[in-house]
Amino acid sequence: ETGVTQTPRHLVMGMTNKKSLKCEQHLGHNAMYWYKQSAKKPLELMFVYNFKEQTENNSVPSRFSPECPNSSHLFLHLHTLQPEDSALYLCASSQGRYNEQFFGPGTRLTVL
Amino acid sequence: QKEVEQDPGPLSVPEGAIVSLNCTYSNSAFQYFMWYRQYSRKGPELLMYTYSSGNKEDGRFTAQVDKSSKYISLFIRDSQPSDSATYLCAMSLNAGNMLTFGGGTRLMVKP
Repeated sequence: ETGVTQTPRHLVMGMTNKKSLKCEQHLGHNAMYWYKQSAKKPLELMFVYNFKEQTENNSVPSRFSPECPNSSHLFLHLHTLQPEDSALYLCASSQGRYNEQFFGPGTRLTVL
Repeated sequence: QKEVEQDPGPLSVPEGAIVSLNCTYSNSAFQYFMWYRQYSRKGPELLMYTYSSGNKEDGRFTAQVDKSSKYISLFIRDSQPSDSATYLCAMSLNAGNMLTFGGGTRLMVKP
C-alpha cells in the first residue's frame, strides 16, 4: 500500500444528495491533492493544499468543496452533482508541493 | 489539441515480448518526464522519472526522451502478465510544478 487511504471506495449518489470523500495520508507529507480521473481522459488536477493552505483551484465548480483540517487529512464535500461528475476521484500526497506524489486507491463515484 | 497525447489502447502482447509505450506533447518547455503505472482498482504509482533528453534504465524498464521530437517512450523488456496495467505519462515544466498527464495506455500481457 502507498500510505494514502481513501474512503469510501465506491459511492452512488443522487443529484440532490450531499456526501463527502475522505483521504488520509500516513507518510508525514505536507502537500495533498484531489484529482479527477474520467474514462480515457487525462488526470485532472482539482485542488492542491500545502501545509493546510489551498494553493490551487483549477476552475473547479463550486459543487465541489475541499477541506483540509490538517496535513494528514483531506476531504472533498459534494453537493448537487451532475451525472458528468461520475468518475474516479484520486487523492495524492507529497513531501513538498508537486514533488513525487503518492496516490490513494480512489473513490469510484457514480451520480444518478 | 491536447497538451499530451497517448494512445489509449488496449495494447495486447504475449508474455516475453518487448513493449513500447509512447506519448507526444506540444509544449517544448516541458523538462521533467514521468511514467506512472496504474493497476485496476488502484491509484497510479511512479515508475520512472527522467529529466530532459536521454535514456534511463531500471531493470526491465527503459524510459527515453526525445525533446527535439517532443516524444517520450517507455520500453518494457521480457514483459510479464504482472505488467498488465494502464501506463500514464506525465510531464512538468520544472521540479515543483504541476504535472500534465496523458490519458493512459492500457497494456495486457497474455501468458
